[in-house]
Amino acid sequence: LAKTTQPISMDSYEGQEVNITCSHNNIATNDYITWYQQFPSQGPRFIIQGYKTKVTNEVASLFIPADRKSSTLSLPRVSLSDTAVYYCLVGFPGGYNKLIFGAGTRLAVHP
Amino acid sequence: DTEVTQTPKHLVMGMTNKKSLKCEQHMGHRAMYWYKQKAKKPPELMFVYSYEKLSINESVPSRFSPECPNSSLLNLHLHALQPEDSALYLCASSQVARGIANYGYTFGSGTRLTVV
Repeated sequence: LAKTTQPISMDSYEGQEVNITCSHNNIATNDYITWYQQFPSQGPRFIIQGYKTKVTNEVASLFIPADRKSSTLSLPRVSLSDTAVYYCLVGFPGGYNKLIFGAGTRLAVHP
Repeated sequence: DTEVTQTPKHLVMGMTNKKSLKCEQHMGHRAMYWYKQKAKKPPELMFVYSYEKLSINESVPSRFSPECPNSSLLNLHLHALQPEDSALYLCASSQVARGIANYGYTFGSGTRLTVV
């Protein structure tokens, strides 16, 4: 099973770009990479999903190198409201609807 | 409607009580999930329902009993819980993944359960 590794915590300041990298050495050929954001006492919220190269939406970008063994979530110009836990998830083979969360990265954005 | 609704938002129950958590979605999703989340920990998968049938039980104790009455509803029946079962219980739904894509999940806001 693919295991994900992320930094436990990160600090940033308002207006900066934040990049959170996730390692997933055992990613399977058919796996997608998905990122979620979670605020305290709320359910995780889907941010972005990708398979390879670069994906961009209105809130974030996701960069995936050719070997797909890592991925980087990029949050442009963060604000205080981006303070949250960010989870990187990789679809596990053999369990197409079995989404397993890793430890996540606690991002703190300071004024 | 693009939400998953969970009720109640907060629940306090004694160890001898029987209670139920409810989850509802009207997005046509045919996969529904229960997760348990302790403070400062990631969500842990408990159960997965696919097309109203239980497809995954992550070795959850029998004091937790899931039920999927129809494609829009998911219940979690609680009986004889322990204080260590106190946690945030999250419900989620998704399209049933086919082919190579993993579809995004939609999570509810959870039920904060306290067992006394």
